[in-house]
Parts: sequence; structure tokens; C-alpha cells
Amino acid sequence: GEDVEQSLFLSVREGDSSVINCTYTDSSSTYLYWYKQEPGAGLQLLTYIFSNMDMKQDQRLTVLLNKKDKHLSLRIADTQTGDSAIYFCADFSGGYNKLIFGAGTRLAVHP
Amino acid sequence: GAGVSQSPSNKVTEKGKDVELRCDPISGHTALYWYRQSLGQGLEFLIYFQGNSAPDKSGLPSDRFSAERTGGSVSTLTIQRTQQEDSAVYLCASSLGNTIYFGEGSWLTVV
Repeated sequence: GEDVEQSLFLSVREGDSSVINCTYTDSSSTYLYWYKQEPGAGLQLLTYIFSNMDMKQDQRLTVLLNKKDKHLSLRIADTQTGDSAIYFCADFSGGYNKLIFGAGTRLAVHP
Repeated sequence: GAGVSQSPSNKVTEKGKDVELRCDPISGHTALYWYRQSLGQGLEFLIYFQGNSAPDKSGLPSDRFSAERTGGSVSTLTIQRTQQEDSAVYLCASSLGNTIYFGEGSWLTVV
């Protein structure tokens, strides 16, 4: 089956930029998503990008997509302590009609 | 309501009992998904509904699991004869088009 891979942990200093990376294998991917999960909560949709785009910016969030390499990244500018959470990359597979998730990257923001 | 609503938010049940988990999708959303999130297992796809039909039931882990959706709206996930390994967070999501929103989840503990 299709797979999505993420690094498991990232630690950054408050005020710095965070970059969370993701790779996927699905050739029929239509949309790619980033979700945020805080402790004890559900998944909050942060942003998504159409597979034919290469960049999308939304306030402090920038998504970059390299379709050739099947590499997706999420950049958070001016990272704050409130950004500490687990970030999930997900691929919406047109062939399977479902989201395929990575294992999640735990972002820790320290002073 | 404005978002995807799930109930109960927490459920503790004895091994061998049946449980029902309910999902109220965002009004007008035609697609509905169930996922399971377990410690160490990540986000696992269970089932997908388009309207009232379930074209993909491939993720249901055993015949103890079933789901239905009526009136193109509310969905119920039923787990019969619960086992300890069924302890997890059960997440529901709905979508219309490209945006896929999740509820806060139902936390199930089987003792």
C-alpha cells in the first residue's frame, strides 16, 4: 500500500522557524494535508495543497511541495509555545478515496 | 453545529460488551470517514462513506466492527464483544470537496 513518512521529533527555539518534512509514495495523490493535534484533542486542519501546486502560504504557514521527489514540507514562521503539538502529514489518495497519514512529528518549542 | 460532533467523548466498557460510537458530520458534507488512533499505531483508516453507501470497508479490523450511515448524515460505529486491544481514540471526519474536518474523537477504554 501507499506510505507517508515523517521524522518523529523536532525541537526549536521560540521565535525561530520550524520546518517539518514529509515524504509520500502515492503517484495518484490529489491533495496533501497538514493537521495539528494537541494533547487530548482531535485533528485540526491547518492547510492543504493541491498536488499540481508547488507552494502555498497562509499567514505563518508555508507549504512546499516537490511532486517529482514526492516531498512535502511545512514551515512555521516565528514559532511560539502554542505551536507545540504533533503535526501530521496526510496524502489524499485519489485511487483509494482516503487520507493516508504519516506517524506524526512532535514539535517542541522551548524558550 | 459548526464542526464534526462525536459522542460519547469518553467511554469505559468491560471486555465482552458492545459499544456504539456516534458521529454527526458537518451539515451538507457527503463524505464521512472513521479512523482509529492507538498508541504506537498511528492513524488507522477504518471505513469511508459516500452518502449512505460504504464503498470502502477495507480497514475494519475484524467482523466485530461494523458501521452504518443513515439519511446521508449521522454515522454509528459499533464494536461487538469488545477486547482490550480495541482501546483507542476513534476519530470521525467529514468532507465536501477538498477540506476534510475531524471531530474531537471518542476515547474508548476496554477494561
